[in-house]
Amino acid sequence: SQKIEQNSEALNIQEGKTATLTCNYTNYSPAYLQWYRQDPGRGPVFLLLIRENEKEKRKERLKVTFDTTLKQSLFHITASQPADSATYLCALPPDQTGANNLFFGTGTRLTVIP
Amino acid sequence: NAGVTQTPKFQVLKTGQSMTLQCAQDMNHNSMYWYRQDPGMGLRLIYYSASEGTTDKGEVPNGYNVSRLNKREFSLRLESAAPSQTSVYFCASCRDRVVSEQYFGPGTRLTVT
Repeated sequence: SQKIEQNSEALNIQEGKTATLTCNYTNYSPAYLQWYRQDPGRGPVFLLLIRENEKEKRKERLKVTFDTTLKQSLFHITASQPADSATYLCALPPDQTGANNLFFGTGTRLTVIP
Repeated sequence: NAGVTQTPKFQVLKTGQSMTLQCAQDMNHNSMYWYRQDPGMGLRLIYYSASEGTTDKGEVPNGYNVSRLNKREFSLRLESAAPSQTSVYFCASCRDRVVSEQYFGPGTRLTVT
């Protein structure tokens, strides 16, 4: 069956350092992958979408890579700030059709320590 | 624009009671979704509506029904609530049914005793 694993439940990092979060998947061949941010008590907020033919995507201090051979996506936050503290979720569509009925990982809770 | 709105924010039900969770979006999106989020389980798709007039089951549809009332509104009904349905429920919408980011509402925290 399909499975999504985010490398750790929690990650603590010092302010100014680069945070790297991992999303691994099995039994998928997704057309794309998405990353969301979720703050306590709130709904997820979309951050980035990367397609299977894109190796890397950037948005301000965020960078996402997508390796379809390794079945892995890495999410980087450079020059991390306490305001980046949140839970980060990766999400995949079920197949190559691109349909948006997403499967989500359980998330990694990032804490940036001042 | 309000984005995606959900009502109510909180609800406590007794086992066997029924209720409807309401969701509306003002972004003229075609597709809408209902998820539940439980500790350690992540977000799981209950039902979705790829376009007005269509609905499909997601990963965990048992015990729920949905109605896509019009393009703006997508409701989730629990006919006979069970303690296993205690969860936080999120509604989401997106512009297209493929390759499109989802916009989430603030959630409804439901407790079934």
